[in-house]
Amino acid sequence: EDQVTQSPEALRLQEGESSSLNCSYTVSGLRGLFWYRQDPGKGPEFLFTLYSAGEEKEKERLKATLTKKESFLHITAPKPEDSATYLCALNNAGNMLTFGGGTRLMVKP
Amino acid sequence: EAGVTQSPTHLIKTRGQQATLRCSPISGHTSVYWYQQALGLGLQFLLWYDEGEERNRGNFPPRFSGRQFPNYSSELNVNALELEDSALYLCASMRQLNTEAFFGQGTRLTVV
Repeated sequence: EDQVTQSPEALRLQEGESSSLNCSYTVSGLRGLFWYRQDPGKGPEFLFTLYSAGEEKEKERLKATLTKKESFLHITAPKPEDSATYLCALNNAGNMLTFGGGTRLMVKP
Repeated sequence: EAGVTQSPTHLIKTRGQQATLRCSPISGHTSVYWYQQALGLGLQFLLWYDEGEERNRGNFPPRFSGRQFPNYSSELNVNALELEDSALYLCASMRQLNTEAFFGQGTRLTVV
């Protein structure tokens, strides 16, 4: 059975304090790993797609990387508006989209 | 380009009633996923439709059902509502297999 585990569950940072969120996974045939941002009471907002180990994607202060067992979302010099829950999801050979439990990020000014 | 739209935004029902939630995917997207997100919890997979067919369903009782129409819009039906069905129901659409899914803003269902 596919599994997606995110850590830490919650992360408090000071504005400007860079850090990384982890997404470890086991899957039968990875067909894509996705990162989303979710604000309270809203639908997840798509951030990145990664397909193969070694791949990296960047957008503003965020950078996503992928290995054969895990993915990282690096946040450089975060701002309070980066506060949200970040979700990792993977797609397998059966096109099942499975989500991790998320990391709740809080950035204090 | 319009995003995924869900209706209604909020829905309040009494225990034992039925609820119908609707989803319109992004134009050109043929796959629709439904997820349940209870307060403070993660996304639990409910149903996946592609080209009008149910392709997979999650570990939910049969009173959760749905369908996809020829225009690829979808509806989720929940029969015999229970208090624990209160949650944010999210719909996502995907243009083709193994690509990113885009979510709507959800329907907040409250069962009293």
